[in-house]
Amino acid sequence: AQSVTQLDSQVPVFEEAPVELRCNYSSSVSVYLFWYVQYPNQGLQLLLKYLSGSTLVKGINGFEAEFNKSQTSFHLRKPSVHISDTAEYFCAVSEKGYNKLIFGAGTRLAVHP
Amino acid sequence: EAGVAQSPRYKIIEKRQSVAFWCNPISGHATLYWYQQILGQGPKLLIQFQNNGVVDDSQLPKDRFSAERLKGVDSTLKIQPAKLEDSAVYLCASRWGTGEQFFGPGTRLTVL
Repeated sequence: AQSVTQLDSQVPVFEEAPVELRCNYSSSVSVYLFWYVQYPNQGLQLLLKYLSGSTLVKGINGFEAEFNKSQTSFHLRKPSVHISDTAEYFCAVSEKGYNKLIFGAGTRLAVHP
Repeated sequence: EAGVAQSPRYKIIEKRQSVAFWCNPISGHATLYWYQQILGQGPKLLIQFQNNGVVDDSQLPKDRFSAERLKGVDSTLKIQPAKLEDSAVYLCASRWGTGEQFFGPGTRLTVL
C-alpha cells in the first residue's frame, strides 16, 4: 500500500530565508508525486507535480521539488520565502495508471517578518 | 473559467442529525471526487465518480454516508446519522481526462 510521510508538522521561518519541506513516500510501484498548497478556508491548489523525466520540477510561486527515487523522497524547496507563503502544504502520491491521491498529513509553513 | 463550487461553506449540526453537501464541478469534467479532511490530517478520498458511475468508494462508511451524481454533473454527499467524528472539511474535486484535480473551497462540518 502507498503512504506519504511529511516529516515536519510545522516549519517556522523568517521572511526571505530559504525553506525545505520534506516528504517521503512508500510504494511498490511507479508513482506520480504532487505538492499542493492550502490557504486558510480555501481548497487545495496544485504547486507542482512529477510525472516522469527531469527529477527537478519547477512549480508556481517560485517553488521547486526534487524527486529522489533511491531515497523515495520529494522535498519541496524555495530559496526565499514571503509572508504570503504562509499556508499548509501537502505532499501526495498516486500510482501510475490510476488517479487516486494519497496525501500526507501536511506541513504548516509559518513565515515571520 | 469557473472553479469547483461547493455549498454550504459551513454547517453545524447535532449528532444523529443528517446533513447534505453539494458540489458543482468544473464544466466538462467527467471525474468527480469527495474527500474528507479531518483537522491536522491530509485529505482522504471517500468516493470517486466517472460521469455518474462510482469508480472507487472503498473508504466510504456506507452505513452512514451516501453520495450520488445524477446526470454526471452535480453531486451530493449525505451523512445520516452524523457522529462527532464526522467533524471535518469535506472537499470536492474534479478532473478532465488525465489532468490535475481541481479542488473546491470545501464545506466545514461541525458535529456537536
